[in-house]
Amino acid sequence: DQQVKQNSPSLSVQEGRISILNCDYTNSMFDYFLWYKKYPAEGPTFLISISSIKDKNEDGRFTVFLNKSAKHLSLHIVPSQPGDSAVYFCAASVRDDKIIFGKGTRLHILP
Amino acid sequence: DAGITQSPRYKITETGRQVTLMCHQTWSHSYMFWYRQDLGHGLRLIYYSAAADITDKGEVPDGYVVSRSKTENFPLTLESATRSQTSVYFCASRVTPYEKLFFGSGTQLSVL
Repeated sequence: DQQVKQNSPSLSVQEGRISILNCDYTNSMFDYFLWYKKYPAEGPTFLISISSIKDKNEDGRFTVFLNKSAKHLSLHIVPSQPGDSAVYFCAASVRDDKIIFGKGTRLHILP
Repeated sequence: DAGITQSPRYKITETGRQVTLMCHQTWSHSYMFWYRQDLGHGLRLIYYSAAADITDKGEVPDGYVVSRSKTENFPLTLESATRSQTSVYFCASRVTPYEKLFFGSGTQLSVL
């Protein structure tokens, strides 16, 4: 029973355009959400997070949107750059409990 | 600034053997986690710990044992390795709830 779902295994976006990665969750108790980026043979690195009291958080080219009623969050990358090609993981947690990750979406930035 | 280190980086073992993966962090973070990454499954939580001597099961704990006698160390032991435990294992830590996780570089384990 997957609590955090990333339904698109891969996504291809033209360089310079917007990349939108989606994530759905089933546990309404989740109150903190994170996005991670992962390159091959490296550990995941933190991108951006959002708490359930907000609906948007921005950090440079990265923006995360949270829609609590739909139990949906999305990561927007604008503009997309070649170095953004990686696997992106969505994660969620309840306060000091475990952090659950989705299966990931592989983003390809096309020249 | 060592951060969080995992050892070994690569490990090959045989079915039935016991193997321990090490994780050490220099920040004195309270929370530590073990994940495995497999194709088609993403990152799945094996065990986590909120403090020394406090551990709890994650999504896929069967076949694994953890301990946390010191805050900075969180070893993961496969008591009798199976081929299905071939995976890349990541250790992570964080200071408090509502903080980001810091990941190690991973241990690639092959069970033959």
